[in-house]
Amino acid sequence: DAKTTQPPSMDCAEGRAANLPCNHSTISGNEYVYWYRQIHSQGPQYIIHGLKNNETNEMASLIITEDRKSSTLILPHATLRDTAVYYCIVSPYNTDKLIFGTGTRLQVFP
Amino acid sequence: GAGVSQTPSNKVTEKGKYVELRCDPISGHTALYWYRQSLGQGPEFLIYFQGTGAADDSGLPNDRFFAVRPEGSVSTLKIQRTERGDSAVYLCASSPSGRNTIYFGEGSWLTVV
Repeated sequence: DAKTTQPPSMDCAEGRAANLPCNHSTISGNEYVYWYRQIHSQGPQYIIHGLKNNETNEMASLIITEDRKSSTLILPHATLRDTAVYYCIVSPYNTDKLIFGTGTRLQVFP
Repeated sequence: GAGVSQTPSNKVTEKGKYVELRCDPISGHTALYWYRQSLGQGPEFLIYFQGTGAADDSGLPNDRFFAVRPEGSVSTLKIQRTERGDSAVYLCASSPSGRNTIYFGEGSWLTVV
């Protein structure tokens, strides 16, 4: 699996957009970008995934650069409940495991 | 509840003892995963089941760790001769047909003293 690089921590004011970057310069053509988050003392939660095109769902938007070497997860209106560790993972669609890094700890403040 | 259920939520055991951790996946999910998470780290893959068989056990750290899923539903992670370094949160997850949108349980927090 391709390695990803994420900043260890970020802050965001409540109500503002949170933009979480991820670098995956060695991503292969068949690898998707997945985002999960883990709120304190809970199991990781799936957020969104994409291959080439930008994706949006009820939780977030995923922007993938044209060369696919980096992506950004956008939480459009962050709330205190979005405080969590966010993991960016690249992997083929049907693989037997996801490899987690250490993620980005997002702190949303009032 | 319809989510992944793990028991016990907390387990304290003495070094050298045997421990079993149970996972009840989401109904109908054929794929089941075990991960281990130490403080400040991301989840670390241990083993993956597709149905009853272990399709990938490359993450099991040594032969003290073993997992089964005899009927393709509930799984048990077994740890023999526990060591203090085994202390961690053990996470179970399931998914339909091995897709990467997997659903995690709340975890079993194991402390070896």
